[in-house]
Amino acid sequence: EVQLVESGGGFIKPGGSLRLSCAGSGFIFSNLWISWVRQAPGKGLEWVGRIKAVSAGGATEYAAPVEGRFTISRDDSKNTVFLQMNSLKTGDTALYYCTTEPNDWNYAGFEHWGQGTLVSVSS
Amino acid sequence: DIQMTQSPSSLSASVGDRVTITCRASQTISKYLNWYQQKPGKAPKVLIYASSSLQSGVPSRFSGSGSGTEFTLTISSLHPEDFATYSCQQSYTMPWTFGQGTKVEIK
Repeated sequence: EVQLVESGGGFIKPGGSLRLSCAGSGFIFSNLWISWVRQAPGKGLEWVGRIKAVSAGGATEYAAPVEGRFTISRDDSKNTVFLQMNSLKTGDTALYYCTTEPNDWNYAGFEHWGQGTLVSVSS
Repeated sequence: DIQMTQSPSSLSASVGDRVTITCRASQTISKYLNWYQQKPGKAPKVLIYASSSLQSGVPSRFSGSGSGTEFTLTISSLHPEDFATYSCQQSYTMPWTFGQGTKVEIK
Protein backbone atom coordinates (compact mmCIF):
# COMPACT_ATOMS: atom_id res chain seq x y z
CA GLU A 1 0.00 0.00 0.00
CA VAL A 2 1.24 3.45 -0.90
CA GLN A 3 1.94 5.56 2.16
CA LEU A 4 3.34 9.03 2.77
CA VAL A 5 4.16 10.27 6.26
CA GLU A 6 5.04 13.87 7.03
CA SER A 7 6.98 14.98 10.09
CA GLY A 8 8.90 17.94 11.42
CA GLY A 9 6.12 20.41 12.09
CA GLY A 10 5.94 22.49 15.25
CA PHE A 11 5.80 25.94 16.79
CA ILE A 12 8.29 28.51 15.58
CA LYS A 13 8.76 32.26 15.90
CA PRO A 14 8.62 34.53 12.85
CA GLY A 15 11.94 34.56 11.05
CA GLY A 16 12.78 31.05 12.15
CA SER A 17 13.43 27.91 10.12
CA LEU A 18 11.92 24.46 10.05
CA ARG A 19 12.52 21.38 7.93
CA LEU A 20 9.67 19.07 7.09
CA SER A 21 10.11 15.50 5.91
CA CYS A 22 7.89 13.33 3.75
CA ALA A 23 8.74 9.64 3.96
CA GLY A 24 7.27 7.25 1.42
CA SER A 25 6.75 3.52 1.27
CA GLY A 26 4.94 0.99 -0.85
CA PHE A 27 6.24 2.13 -4.22
CA ILE A 28 9.41 3.02 -6.12
CA PHE A 29 9.93 6.37 -4.42
CA SER A 30 12.62 7.56 -6.82
CA ASN A 31 10.11 7.58 -9.69
CA LEU A 32 7.75 9.93 -7.89
CA TRP A 33 7.16 13.60 -8.38
CA ILE A 34 6.24 15.05 -4.99
CA SER A 35 4.33 18.24 -4.28
CA TRP A 36 3.79 20.05 -1.01
CA VAL A 37 0.33 21.51 -0.43
CA ARG A 38 -0.65 23.52 2.63
CA GLN A 39 -3.92 24.45 4.28
CA ALA A 40 -4.17 27.35 6.68
CA PRO A 41 -6.68 26.88 9.52
CA GLY A 42 -10.20 27.05 8.12
CA LYS A 43 -8.93 27.88 4.63
CA GLY A 44 -8.59 26.19 1.27
CA LEU A 45 -5.72 24.24 -0.20
CA GLU A 46 -2.64 26.05 -1.50
CA TRP A 47 0.09 24.47 -3.62
CA VAL A 48 3.54 25.25 -2.22
CA GLY A 49 6.03 23.60 -4.54
CA ARG A 50 7.18 20.37 -6.12
CA ILE A 51 10.18 18.29 -7.00
CA LYS A 52 10.38 16.06 -10.03
CA ALA A 53 11.88 12.59 -10.04
CA VAL A 54 15.64 12.53 -10.59
CA SER A 55 14.99 10.62 -13.82
CA ALA A 56 13.00 13.64 -15.00
CA GLY A 57 15.73 16.06 -14.00
CA GLY A 58 14.85 16.57 -10.36
CA ALA A 59 13.80 20.18 -10.96
CA THR A 60 11.90 22.15 -8.35
CA GLU A 61 9.21 24.81 -8.74
CA TYR A 62 7.67 27.01 -6.08
CA ALA A 63 4.64 29.17 -5.51
CA ALA A 64 5.37 32.88 -5.44
CA PRO A 65 4.64 33.36 -1.69
CA VAL A 66 7.43 30.92 -0.75
CA GLU A 67 9.91 31.40 -3.60
CA GLY A 68 13.33 32.22 -2.19
CA ARG A 69 12.39 31.12 1.34
CA PHE A 70 11.45 27.47 0.88
CA THR A 71 13.57 24.74 -0.70
CA ILE A 72 12.49 21.25 -1.66
CA SER A 73 15.03 18.44 -1.90
CA ARG A 74 15.00 14.68 -1.95
CA ASP A 75 17.05 11.73 -0.74
CA ASP A 76 15.83 8.73 -2.66
CA SER A 77 18.15 6.42 -0.71
CA LYS A 78 15.95 7.25 2.30
CA ASN A 79 12.66 7.49 0.33
CA THR A 80 12.28 11.00 1.70
CA VAL A 81 11.51 14.46 0.38
CA PHE A 82 12.29 17.53 2.45
CA LEU A 83 10.78 21.00 2.66
CA GLN A 84 13.25 23.46 4.16
CA MET A 85 11.39 26.54 5.30
CA ASN A 86 13.38 29.68 6.16
CA SER A 87 12.35 33.21 7.12
CA LEU A 88 9.00 31.91 8.29
CA LYS A 89 6.09 34.31 8.51
CA THR A 90 2.83 34.12 10.44
CA GLY A 91 1.09 33.60 7.10
CA ASP A 92 2.96 30.30 6.69
CA THR A 93 0.94 28.80 9.54
CA ALA A 94 -0.79 25.79 8.05
CA LEU A 95 -1.10 22.04 7.88
CA TYR A 96 1.48 20.91 5.33
CA TYR A 97 0.76 17.86 3.20
CA CYS A 98 3.02 16.04 0.78
CA THR A 99 1.33 14.38 -2.15
CA THR A 100 2.28 12.44 -5.25
CA GLU A 101 2.04 14.50 -8.40
CA PRO A 102 1.41 12.76 -11.71
CA ASN A 103 3.83 13.42 -14.53
CA ASP A 104 0.84 13.30 -16.85
CA TRP A 105 -2.29 15.06 -15.63
CA ASN A 106 -4.34 13.25 -18.29
CA TYR A 107 -4.21 10.16 -16.15
CA ALA A 108 -4.34 11.24 -12.50
CA GLY A 109 -4.65 14.01 -9.95
CA PHE A 110 -2.80 14.37 -6.67
CA GLU A 111 -3.44 10.75 -5.79
CA HIS A 112 -1.61 9.83 -2.58
CA TRP A 113 -1.45 12.15 0.41
CA GLY A 114 0.16 12.07 3.81
CA GLN A 115 -1.73 12.93 6.97
CA GLY A 116 -0.12 16.36 7.19
CA THR A 117 2.17 18.06 9.70
CA LEU A 118 1.21 21.29 11.43
CA VAL A 119 3.42 24.36 11.29
CA SER A 120 2.49 27.24 13.59
CA VAL A 121 4.40 30.51 13.26
CA SER A 122 3.74 32.93 16.05
CA SER A 123 5.61 35.34 18.31
CA ASP B 1 -1.64 32.77 -11.87
CA ILE B 2 -4.94 31.14 -12.81
CA GLN B 3 -7.65 31.92 -10.30
CA MET B 4 -10.18 29.20 -9.55
CA THR B 5 -13.57 30.26 -8.22
CA GLN B 6 -16.09 27.80 -6.87
CA SER B 7 -19.77 28.33 -6.31
CA PRO B 8 -21.49 28.07 -4.01
CA SER B 9 -19.10 28.35 -1.07
CA SER B 10 -21.44 26.16 0.92
CA LEU B 11 -24.74 24.39 0.47
CA SER B 12 -27.20 22.44 2.55
CA ALA B 13 -28.67 19.29 1.08
CA SER B 14 -30.48 16.15 2.10
CA VAL B 15 -29.58 12.52 1.58
CA GLY B 16 -30.74 11.56 -1.89
CA ASP B 17 -30.46 15.06 -3.34
CA ARG B 18 -28.68 15.81 -6.59
CA VAL B 19 -25.87 18.28 -5.95
CA THR B 20 -23.95 20.36 -8.45
CA ILE B 21 -20.85 22.43 -7.70
CA THR B 22 -19.34 24.83 -10.22
CA CYS B 23 -15.73 25.79 -10.69
CA ARG B 24 -14.66 28.63 -12.97
CA ALA B 25 -11.13 29.35 -14.15
CA SER B 26 -9.87 32.87 -14.83
CA GLN B 27 -8.52 31.68 -18.19
CA THR B 28 -8.90 28.59 -20.29
CA ILE B 29 -7.48 25.42 -18.79
CA SER B 30 -8.69 22.99 -21.47
CA LYS B 31 -9.77 19.83 -19.59
CA TYR B 32 -7.13 20.03 -16.85
CA LEU B 33 -9.40 20.23 -13.87
CA ASN B 34 -9.41 17.90 -10.88
CA TRP B 35 -11.88 17.53 -8.01
CA TYR B 36 -11.06 16.56 -4.43
CA GLN B 37 -13.17 15.63 -1.42
CA GLN B 38 -11.93 16.47 2.06
CA LYS B 39 -13.48 15.44 5.36
CA PRO B 40 -12.60 17.14 8.66
CA GLY B 41 -9.18 16.14 9.93
CA LYS B 42 -8.41 14.14 6.81
CA ALA B 43 -6.27 14.66 3.72
CA PRO B 44 -7.97 15.44 0.41
CA LYS B 45 -8.97 12.56 -1.80
CA VAL B 46 -9.06 12.84 -5.57
CA LEU B 47 -12.48 12.07 -7.07
CA ILE B 48 -12.20 13.25 -10.67
CA TYR B 49 -9.20 14.08 -12.85
CA ALA B 50 -8.95 15.62 -16.31
CA SER B 51 -12.43 17.10 -15.89
CA SER B 52 -14.46 13.92 -16.25
CA SER B 53 -12.35 10.84 -15.48
CA LEU B 54 -13.44 9.00 -12.36
CA GLN B 55 -10.63 8.03 -10.01
CA SER B 56 -10.44 4.31 -9.38
CA GLY B 57 -12.59 3.30 -6.43
CA VAL B 58 -14.75 6.41 -6.45
CA PRO B 59 -18.50 5.71 -6.60
CA SER B 60 -20.20 6.32 -9.92
CA ARG B 61 -22.62 8.80 -8.36
CA PHE B 62 -19.78 11.31 -8.71
CA SER B 63 -19.26 12.81 -12.15
CA GLY B 64 -17.44 15.76 -13.64
CA SER B 65 -17.84 17.75 -16.81
CA GLY B 66 -16.68 20.88 -18.55
CA SER B 67 -13.80 22.33 -20.48
CA GLY B 68 -12.25 25.70 -21.06
CA THR B 69 -13.21 27.84 -18.10
CA GLU B 70 -16.35 26.28 -16.63
CA PHE B 71 -16.59 22.93 -14.89
CA THR B 72 -19.07 21.08 -12.73
CA LEU B 73 -18.96 18.31 -10.17
CA THR B 74 -22.24 16.45 -9.77
CA ILE B 75 -23.26 14.03 -7.08
CA SER B 76 -26.31 12.29 -8.49
CA SER B 77 -27.75 11.14 -5.17
CA LEU B 78 -26.16 12.36 -1.97
CA HIS B 79 -25.10 9.68 0.51
CA PRO B 80 -24.44 10.35 4.23
CA GLU B 81 -20.69 9.90 3.70
CA ASP B 82 -20.64 12.60 1.01
CA PHE B 83 -21.00 15.47 3.46
CA ALA B 84 -17.59 17.07 3.09
CA THR B 85 -15.73 19.93 1.43
CA TYR B 86 -15.08 19.72 -2.29
CA SER B 87 -12.26 21.58 -4.03
CA CYS B 88 -11.30 21.99 -7.65
CA GLN B 89 -7.71 22.30 -8.85
CA GLN B 90 -6.30 23.27 -12.23
CA SER B 91 -3.38 21.31 -13.65
CA TYR B 92 -3.06 23.24 -16.92
CA THR B 93 -0.18 25.48 -15.97
CA MET B 94 1.98 26.15 -12.96
CA PRO B 95 1.50 27.24 -10.29
CA TRP B 96 -1.19 24.69 -9.65
CA THR B 97 -4.11 26.47 -8.03
CA PHE B 98 -7.16 25.37 -6.08
CA GLY B 99 -10.63 26.74 -5.66
CA GLN B 100 -11.61 27.96 -2.21
CA GLY B 101 -13.75 24.92 -1.53
CA THR B 102 -17.46 24.14 -1.30
CA LYS B 103 -18.77 22.76 1.97
CA VAL B 104 -21.69 20.37 1.58
CA GLU B 105 -23.67 20.25 4.81
CA ILE B 106 -26.65 18.28 5.99
CA LYS B 107 -29.97 20.06 5.69
